[in-house]
Amino acid sequence: EVQLVESGGGLVQPGRSMKLSCAASGFTFNNYDMAWVCQAPKKGLEWVATISYDGSSTYYRDSVKGRFTISRDNAKSTLYLQMDSLRSEDTATYYCARCAVATDFDYWGQGVMVTVSS
Amino acid sequence: DIQMTQSPPSLSASLGDKVTITCQASQNINKYIAWYQQKPGKAPRLLIRYTSTLESGTPSRFSGSGSGRDYSFSISNVESEDIASYYCLQYDNLNTFGAGTKLELK
Repeated sequence: EVQLVESGGGLVQPGRSMKLSCAASGFTFNNYDMAWVCQAPKKGLEWVATISYDGSSTYYRDSVKGRFTISRDNAKSTLYLQMDSLRSEDTATYYCARCAVATDFDYWGQGVMVTVSS
Repeated sequence: DIQMTQSPPSLSASLGDKVTITCQASQNINKYIAWYQQKPGKAPRLLIRYTSTLESGTPSRFSGSGSGRDYSFSISNVESEDIASYYCLQYDNLNTFGAGTKLELK
């Protein structure tokens, strides 16, 4: 059974950093591109970033370029999102997702909440 | 960046109705559109990919169609378990979600 379990969320002050993790199991992690998707409270879904299966390529939405870094450790079957210079508008539930054959997302974690507030 | 215009923002339906949601892309997305269902407090669930391919476990009352810039998603014979929000996602060039449609019972 495919499982994606996020961790590392919580309350953080504006301008500070936070690192999210996503532990994957039930599939061959290093065969799949992976992504982060966020959802602000009561709002819609927004794609954040994607990383290729081997970590050689990364892609970001414009609003997080230069502030967020997606990475992975295939030996640990773990996906990461390093979030720096956090802003109040980054407050959201962050989901890790597996990319299917193309870059649609077929499996999702349960999500982790990040609140950016002083 | 590709923009996705999803409508309507909300829908009110009776059990057994047919409902349709549309998404228009700002450019041709070559049928690379997926549709998701999300219930409150839960992660999204992939229902349909590549315009009209039902994911395993997706009931046959769900369907999708379209080409070029214009796509639609329908639920025939709405059931109570279908009450949720629905999102389109383009994956032709990076990823963009539509703004979502909240389906409620009339």
